Amino acid sequence: QVQLVESGGGLVQPGRSLRLSCAASGFTFSEHAMYWVRQAPGKGLQWVALISYDGRNIYYADSVKGRFTISRDNSQKTVYLHMNSLRGDDTAIYYCARDQFLAPDVWGQGILVTVSS
Amino acid sequence: QSALTQPPSASGSPGRSVTISCTGTSSDVGYYDYVSWYQHHPGKAPKLIIHEVSKRPSGVPDRFSGSKSGNTASLTVSGLQADDEADYYCASYAGSITVFGTGTKVTVL
Repeated sequence: QVQLVESGGGLVQPGRSLRLSCAASGFTFSEHAMYWVRQAPGKGLQWVALISYDGRNIYYADSVKGRFTISRDNSQKTVYLHMNSLRGDDTAIYYCARDQFLAPDVWGQGILVTVSS
Repeated sequence: QSALTQPPSASGSPGRSVTISCTGTSSDVGYYDYVSWYQHHPGKAPKLIIHEVSKRPSGVPDRFSGSKSGNTASLTVSGLQADDEADYYCASYAGSITVFGTGTKVTVL
């Protein structure tokens, strides 16, 4: 079945970097755009980034622009989120999701990123 | 990139209906027919229940329905069941970005 599994989260100090990965299975990965969406503690869902099916078109939320980089490897069926200059307000559960109907349709279980000294 | 506005909470008795609003602007909800709704049980992955304003993915019961008028979209949950108690989020495509709603906690009384 369609599955997305995030990895790479954990505790990181402010100002440091972290890379999240999202491994896809059960569908033709190279045909779908992919999202990263996050949820800070006690807060709602926030769109972070989108990458097109071929990686040529990339978009970011203003809050992460210039610090985060989304990328993908279609041969490995994996999408990545490189996070630099991390701040306390980046603390959140990060979800990857598949695009369908110009909306995230299938989501991973999420991975916790905690930014703290 | 302001969040779409949803009421913080809504409630209803089992078997009754509840409707959640989602208010955006003429640049997102009002412009595009790409409004989606998600059910989110804490600790689990969000689940898509409505896409393109009113379409249900396969497997989603017809108790869930969506609509839109102007800059406001709505989700109605009919025949409330205990398992419907969850957080609900709307989202709208806004031309290369996606904007989520503030979220509504639905309580089944």
